[in-house]
Amino acid sequence: QINLKESGPTLVKPTQTLTLTCDLSGFSLSTPGVGVGWIRQPPGEAPEWLALIYWDDDKRYSPSLKTRLTITKDTSKNQVVLTMTNLGPVDTATYYCALSQLAWFGEFPPLDHWGQGARVTVSS
Amino acid sequence: ETVLAQSPGTLSLSPGERATLYCRASQSVRSSYLAWYQQKPGQAPRLLIYAASTRATGVPDRFSGSGSGADFTLTISRLEPEDFAVYYCQQYGSPFFGGGTKVEIK
Repeated sequence: QINLKESGPTLVKPTQTLTLTCDLSGFSLSTPGVGVGWIRQPPGEAPEWLALIYWDDDKRYSPSLKTRLTITKDTSKNQVVLTMTNLGPVDTATYYCALSQLAWFGEFPPLDHWGQGARVTVSS
Repeated sequence: ETVLAQSPGTLSLSPGERATLYCRASQSVRSSYLAWYQQKPGQAPRLLIYAASTRATGVPDRFSGSGSGADFTLTISRLEPEDFAVYYCQQYGSPFFGGGTKVEIK
């Protein structure tokens, strides 16, 4: 059974760096065609893709946030980590990690399994 | 960058009725690379449709997707109580989802 679970701080101060970890089970990050992405959703708004890492370690970032994001994976631990720098109040959102088993297609492919989400508030 | 406009913003219908949701792209979507998601309050989005018309695993056949180019449609043939939710479209080449359509009980 495929499962994804996000973890990280719930409260971050402005200008700080956010590090979120996604623990994966039920699939291998090294399987061709697999990608794990991070998506955020501010309260009451639509989701927004942040970043994707492919099975072969290729990466994609949202152009508007590219300078602030880093996505990495540790296949041996079955984890994907997202780092976002210089946080501000507009970054307050629920952050999801999600799996695409269709990562052959497009820079931001369909996501067929999602974690429960991690709520992050940016406030001093 | 492609912008997705969803309409209507809210759809008020009764169980058993047919729901038709629209997603229009600001430019043609390559190879029908378009997905639809359902989201219920407090839950993560759920993939319903990909490649414009292919149902994801486990999705009931009352959900269907169609369209090509810049115009896409999600149809729910007969609304069940569990279908009242927000629906988003997303095209694979853009990090942005559409603004969503809320299907609410009339």
